[in-house]
Amino acid sequence: DARVTQTPRHKVTEMGQEVTMRCQPILGHNTVFWYRQTMMQGLELLAYFRNRAPLDDSGMPKDRFSAEMPDATLATLKIQPSEPRDSAVYFCASGWGGVGNYGYTFGSGTRLTVV
Amino acid sequence: DQQVKQNSPSLSVQEGRISILNCDYTNSMFDYFLWYKKYPAEGPTFLISISSIKDKNEDGRFTVFLNKSAKHLSLHIVPSQPGDSAVYFCAASKNQAGTALIFGKGTTLSVSS
Repeated sequence: DARVTQTPRHKVTEMGQEVTMRCQPILGHNTVFWYRQTMMQGLELLAYFRNRAPLDDSGMPKDRFSAEMPDATLATLKIQPSEPRDSAVYFCASGWGGVGNYGYTFGSGTRLTVV
Repeated sequence: DQQVKQNSPSLSVQEGRISILNCDYTNSMFDYFLWYKKYPAEGPTFLISISSIKDKNEDGRFTVFLNKSAKHLSLHIVPSQPGDSAVYFCAASKNQAGTALIFGKGTTLSVSS
């Protein structure tokens, strides 16, 4: 059963530290998304890639967040420096180019707590 | 400015009854709509979708209705089961290659036995 794998599942860090979250998309999927879930905003789109090229990162705070796809099997989301307001669950999702009839597949998320 | 709105944060229903979850959108460019279901400590999972060329799509106990003129869609679950208790997210997309899903804030459904 193909799945999107996210690591770590949980991360507690101190304010000011760098945080790196990783995502392994489903093999063959060419589109990768990063979403953030908070109580206030629900699921917010942060950035997404197609064929490893960034298509849109307008949802990310540019001064502290960065997203990359070093290769087709790995997507990373970095926060430097982290702040308490970054505490949230971060989801990665992958899929084919068009949303089609099956939506995109989400990972189980990384729960980030910044103290 | 929220483009996809789920105005009911929660809904409680008895087992066997119908659950109706609602969603409104503002962007007329959206032409593909999806519902996702999310259990605690898991990622959202795809449930059902509908293209703007249709007004209804059915999959077992789940039916999605789309009213384009009102920019409104709804998810009907009949009959509701306790295992349906979860957060339901409505999402919309411009059905082009590589476009992202824009989500509502979700509705928590509780089905009691």
